[in-house]
Amino acid sequence: DTEVTQTPKHLVMGMTNKKSLKCEQHMGHRAMYWYKQKAKKPPELMFVYSYEKLSINESVPSRFSPECPNSSLLNLHLHALQPEDSALYLCASSQEGGGIETQYFGPGTRLLVL
Amino acid sequence: GNSVTQMEGPVTLSEEAFLTINCTYTATGYPSLFWYVQYPGEGLQLLLKATKADDKGSNKGFEATYRKETTSFHLEKGSVQVSDSAVYFCALSASNNQGGKLIFGQGTELSVKP
Repeated sequence: DTEVTQTPKHLVMGMTNKKSLKCEQHMGHRAMYWYKQKAKKPPELMFVYSYEKLSINESVPSRFSPECPNSSLLNLHLHALQPEDSALYLCASSQEGGGIETQYFGPGTRLLVL
Repeated sequence: GNSVTQMEGPVTLSEEAFLTINCTYTATGYPSLFWYVQYPGEGLQLLLKATKADDKGSNKGFEATYRKETTSFHLEKGSVQVSDSAVYFCALSASNNQGGKLIFGQGTELSVKP
């Protein structure tokens, strides 16, 4: 089973709201990733967690706050977003998060910031 | 640094036509190479991969061969269907990529007409 699940599928929020995106995998992977994707562009890496520790933050604004409560779960907390943050947010997982690995992606959360 | 270049789209084909999407890469060492597919409104799905030179990845009638001498990983399918309409991303993972980062090409949009 190579399934990564994400909730919600769609999210509309105002610029003053606080919301969270959730990602889950049960493949025993120890690395999880957040990506942001604009229409028909490649995904842009935001964060990497490896063994529940943040290993990469690609200079993402602090209005995005990741959290990895355990090795199967990854959250992205959103606060005071801007309209330009509207995008598809993808979660992925891989074996360990170092070297050469295959990443498996979830279906994404489509976020609209009004 | 590592990079991936793939042919620009959109590519429009008639059903049952032959498909080639070109992908070339620059990387030190021996990267793994991937093709991901993104159907409209969905996340990325791993289509196929190859981990060493001369490996051929294949899935759902798609094939790609890892050619180290030409640093290429072109995607081919002998007879496309309307259901193959999607955006295709070539990607690489290399040992010198921090945290197992995937390097993506720009994506190629394929539209198959009946």
